[in-house]
Amino acid sequence: AQKVTQAQTEISVVEKEDVTLDCVYETRDTTYYLFWYKQPPSGELVFLIRRNSFDEQNEISGRYSWNFQKSTSSFNFTITASQVVDSAVYFCALSEARGGNQFYFGTGTSLTVIP
Amino acid sequence: DTGVSQNPRHKITKRGQNVTFRCDPISEHNRLYWYRQTLGQGPEFLTYFQNEAQLEKSRLLSDRFSAERPKGSFSTLEIQRTEQGDSAMYLCASSDTGYTEAFFGQGTRLTVV
Repeated sequence: AQKVTQAQTEISVVEKEDVTLDCVYETRDTTYYLFWYKQPPSGELVFLIRRNSFDEQNEISGRYSWNFQKSTSSFNFTITASQVVDSAVYFCALSEARGGNQFYFGTGTSLTVIP
Repeated sequence: DTGVSQNPRHKITKRGQNVTFRCDPISEHNRLYWYRQTLGQGPEFLTYFQNEAQLEKSRLLSDRFSAERPKGSFSTLEIQRTEQGDSAMYLCASSDTGYTEAFFGQGTRLTVV
C-alpha cells in the first residue's frame, strides 16, 4: 500500500497566484516524521521542511507554509504569490520510527508557474 | 563542505556490463542512503548505512546490486550484469542522525542500452 499519496500529478498556476500541494500519508506508528522536498529541473532534491508527529503547529517560512493535520493524515504545502522559480516537482515523504530509517516518497506533484 | 557529491553524473552502458557509482556524503553525517528514481516516480529506497554498517536493504535490491561504505566515509553502489530495467537515476543522500532530514546529491543517471 502506498504510504504517501500525492493525488495532484500536475498543477499549473499563473505567477502570483497561491497554490496548495496536497499530501496524505498512512502509518500505524505513533512516532513519525514528514518531509517536503523540491526537485527542480536540475534534478537535485532540495529539503524544505521536516515535521514530527508530535508537533502539529503549522509553519510559515517566507512564501511557504505547511498545514499538518493528524486527524486527516495530511501535510499540505502552500506557496503564496507563486513565482516562476517555484516551478519544480515537489515530493512529500514519510519516515517511521519503527520502520528503520527509510523515507517513503509520494509520486510527486509537478508545479508549473506561468509568467 | 559543499554537500553530497555523486560520480559520475551520467553513465551509459551496454546490457550485461557492470557499473559502479560513488557517493561522498556530507563529512559529518554518519548515515548514508541510496535511492532509485524512475521517470515520473518518487525516489524508492534501496539501502542505508550507519557508519560502515549496512543496516537495511530493500527487496528492490536484487543480488546483482551491492553497496559498500568502507570506513564509514564514501559509498559505492555496484550493479552487475546490468539490464535495461536498471535504467534510472540513482540518488545518494546523507543525514547526521536518524529521522532528521536527508540531503541528496545530484544523482547518477544510468542508461542501459
